[in-house]
Amino acid sequence: DAGVTQSPTHLIKTRGQHVTLRCSPISGHKSVSWYQQVLGQGPQFIFQYYEKEERGRGNFPDRFSARQFPNYSSELNVNALLLGDSALYLCASSIRDSPYEQYFGPGTRLTVT
Amino acid sequence: GQQLNQSPQSMFIQEGEDVSMNCTSSSIFNTWLWYKQDPGEGPVLLIALYKAGELTSNGRLTAQFGITRKDSFLNISASIPSDVGIYFCAGQSRDSNTGNQFYFGTGTSLTVIP
Repeated sequence: DAGVTQSPTHLIKTRGQHVTLRCSPISGHKSVSWYQQVLGQGPQFIFQYYEKEERGRGNFPDRFSARQFPNYSSELNVNALLLGDSALYLCASSIRDSPYEQYFGPGTRLTVT
Repeated sequence: GQQLNQSPQSMFIQEGEDVSMNCTSSSIFNTWLWYKQDPGEGPVLLIALYKAGELTSNGRLTAQFGITRKDSFLNISASIPSDVGIYFCAGQSRDSNTGNQFYFGTGTSLTVIP
């Protein structure tokens, strides 16, 4: 079975631009979470969605937004990119809402210049 | 955002030795998870813990959910070279305003010397 997939793998953007990252969960999983991982640190929680509803929100500015589609895939959008947004963006899926086990995708490496 | 205090920060051990790392938080968690991450890849789930006091094993790995619900430890027995990587603890809680919250530790970098 396919695991969590994310696209694109790598991305280079300029300050001020916006970006859309995509995630497809493991088949049968209804929850998707997004994380930002800066080099040398642990992942930081951004959003969690379950059954297309937001179930959790981390401490990130309003420039970050997300949504989940009827097929349970998800998009993370970041507007007005800053240099500090450069990071590995990870998506994780799980079967249930909470508590649950999360399975991570390979991530999207975003570089902002 | 909050990060869990994980120790030690790094470990250099001989192949065959046992490893122990732990994670502490100022907040109570409902779930503790342990992950391993290799460079350039996403974290891989090792063990999930759901009840205070729970002790769970996965092969050579054993983890426990602390009685106070504010800590957890992970033990690796008889380490092998493929155990090399960064180990993260993660905790899950719920906030009345912002919903489900997930926090990751600062990571323990493990090096196994053959």
